Order: sequence, then C-alpha cells, then structure tokens
Amino acid sequence: GESVGLHLPTLSVQEGDNSIINCAYSNSASDYFIWYKQESGKGPQFIIDIRSNMDKRQGQRVTVLLNKTVKHLSLQIAATQPGDSAVYFCAENNEGGYQKVTFGTGTKLQVIP
Amino acid sequence: DSGVTQTPKHLITATGQRVTLRCSPRSGDLSVYWYQQSLDQGLQFLIQYYNGEERAKGNILERFSAQQFPDLHSELNLSSLELGDSALYFCASSVVGQGTGELFFGEGSRLTVL
Repeated sequence: GESVGLHLPTLSVQEGDNSIINCAYSNSASDYFIWYKQESGKGPQFIIDIRSNMDKRQGQRVTVLLNKTVKHLSLQIAATQPGDSAVYFCAENNEGGYQKVTFGTGTKLQVIP
Repeated sequence: DSGVTQTPKHLITATGQRVTLRCSPRSGDLSVYWYQQSLDQGLQFLIQYYNGEERAKGNILERFSAQQFPDLHSELNLSSLELGDSALYFCASSVVGQGTGELFFGEGSRLTVL
C-alpha cells in the first residue's frame, strides 16, 4: 500500500510492551475526544472515544485517559503487536450532534518484533 | 471495509485543471465529511454535509466546492489546481445524532498535480 509519508513524531516500541501515545487538545468545549488509527494506504479507523465528563475509558487492549486540567489525552495500548504499527490521531468532536471532528497531529507507532 | 466508497483512487492532472472526487457514504448515513491529508498538515477538515445541506465548513479554499445529492452521495470539486493541492482526499460518513465523533472513512483519493 502507499504511504502517506507524513513528517510525524515516531514512537518505537518492542512487541509485547505497552505503548502510550499522547495528545494535547485545544478546545475545552469539545464533547468527545476520539482516537483514530491509520494504517499505510488506508483511511483512518475509529478506535475508541471518551466523553468529556469522563477521565478514563477502556476497550479491548486500549485505554484512553483524559485530563481536562491540562488538556491532555492519551492512548494506552497493552501488549503491543506488529499489527498495531500505524499512525495514531487524536481528534475532538465539538459540534454536538453534527459532529465537527477536528484532528490533531498524528504519532507514528513502530512496533519492533 | 468501512462501507464508504471513494472514486477515483488515484488521479494525476496538470496545474490549472479541474477534477471531481466522488464519495458514497455507508448505507443509512446522512452525513458526509471531506478531509484533506497532505505531508505538512495532517488531516484538515474541509466541509460537512447533512442530508444535502452544508452543515460545517473548515479550511476549504474558494477554488474547492462540494455538494451532497438526494441519493446522499457527495462530490468534491477542485478547480484551478495548483501543485500544493496534491494530497490525499478522504471522505467520511457518520450516523448523525450519535454525537461521539465516530466517522467511517473511505480509502481516499490520491490527487497528484503536475
């Protein structure tokens, strides 16, 4: 597949270790915060979201933490696998039901076998 | 497979030309979004339509326009193309009213302007 070729920060993690990807957001009024995964040659894919009135949400092997005090969002991936290698984007949804979703800069996760 | 279809997958054209990118949303989704992804700027929101009407506008150039048709498919028109318009253009759709920000993306149309 073709690569987007973005100039992004890269996080290299050993297979089996936990990964933590961080994101700073700007809009305190956002209703939801979301993480997307983009594999090479594909469109972004929804991973998990968290409502603004929560501070933690868990999914399958993923956990999202929200710290509204410092406007910080993180994605934790447990037991990172080669298939987790991708670019990860955080995003904010701040138009209520009409969902104006704004993406932050991404982080490239590289899993070392 | 997200259920969102974009055509064409690749497009090469010259400066000054005009192109149309097409998007078919997931069955039942009323809302369509267009994003531009380039080397320097990540995913930039361009425009959103809901059931045929424009709902939100981002950093979309005046040379660009879009519409959503009664069958809910959408087209993004790019005119007077410049080298800097070379990018991946993504369409996404969603279930409006859910409010969570979960969008379903197509695989994109890669535009190369020579």
